[in-house]
Amino acid sequence: LAKTTQPISMDSYEGQEVNITCSHNNIATNDYITWYQQFPSQGPRFIIQGYKTKVTNEVASLFIPADRKSSTLSLPRVSLSDTAVYYCLVGDGGTGTASKLTFGTGTRLQVTL
Amino acid sequence: KAGVTQTPRYLIKTRGQQVTLSCSPISGHRSVSWYQQTPGQGLQFLFEYFSETQRNKGNFPGRFSGRQFSNSRSEMNVSTLELGDSALYLCASSFQGGRAEAFFGQGTRLTVV
Repeated sequence: LAKTTQPISMDSYEGQEVNITCSHNNIATNDYITWYQQFPSQGPRFIIQGYKTKVTNEVASLFIPADRKSSTLSLPRVSLSDTAVYYCLVGDGGTGTASKLTFGTGTRLQVTL
Repeated sequence: KAGVTQTPRYLIKTRGQQVTLSCSPISGHRSVSWYQQTPGQGLQFLFEYFSETQRNKGNFPGRFSGRQFSNSRSEMNVSTLELGDSALYLCASSFQGGRAEAFFGQGTRLTVV
C-alpha cells in the first residue's frame, strides 16, 4: 500500500476554503484515493474518492494531478462543525477484494470564528 | 436505513479478563472490518470478515479474534486483556469490501484496569 503524507494540523476561519494536500509518491496504477473525516469519539466518515482529475460531491472536491503523486481535498466555506481529523487513504481495493483501510496520522483541522 | 451499531458503547475490564464486542452492520452489507484506535498508534486494522470468512488480518496477536454470523453480524473477542488493549474499537461495514465506502459505527470504548 502506498504511504501517505499529510500536514499534521491546519487552522482556518469560518467561511474560508480549506485545502488539505496529501502526498503519495508511490501510488500504484490501480490505487484509488479516498478521504475520511473523523470527529472525536466517533468512527470515520467517508467524504470522497477519486482516481484522477477532479471529483466533486455535495461536501467536498478532490483534485488529483496527472501524475497522481498527490491529491488535494478542498472544503468550501468551512464552518465550526468541520473541525475534525481528515485522513487520506490510498489503495486499490478492487471489486471483491478484502477491505483493509490503512489510516495515516491524518490532518487535524481546527476552524474558529 | 439504520447505521452500523456497536455494543456496548463503554466497557471496563480487569487485566487478564476477556471481552466480546458486537457489531451489527448495515442491512445488506457483507463485509465487516474491525479497527483499534489509540492515541499512540492511531487507527489500526484488525481483521475483515466477508460472508462469514476472515478475508484479511492485521498485525495483532492471536489474543484478538473475531467471527461473523450468517446474518453478517460480527463479534470481536480479546482474551487475556492487557492494559495496552485500552482503546476505541471501531467496526466498519461495506457492501463488498475493497475500496467501497466503509460505514463506521460509533465504537466501543474499552478500558482495561
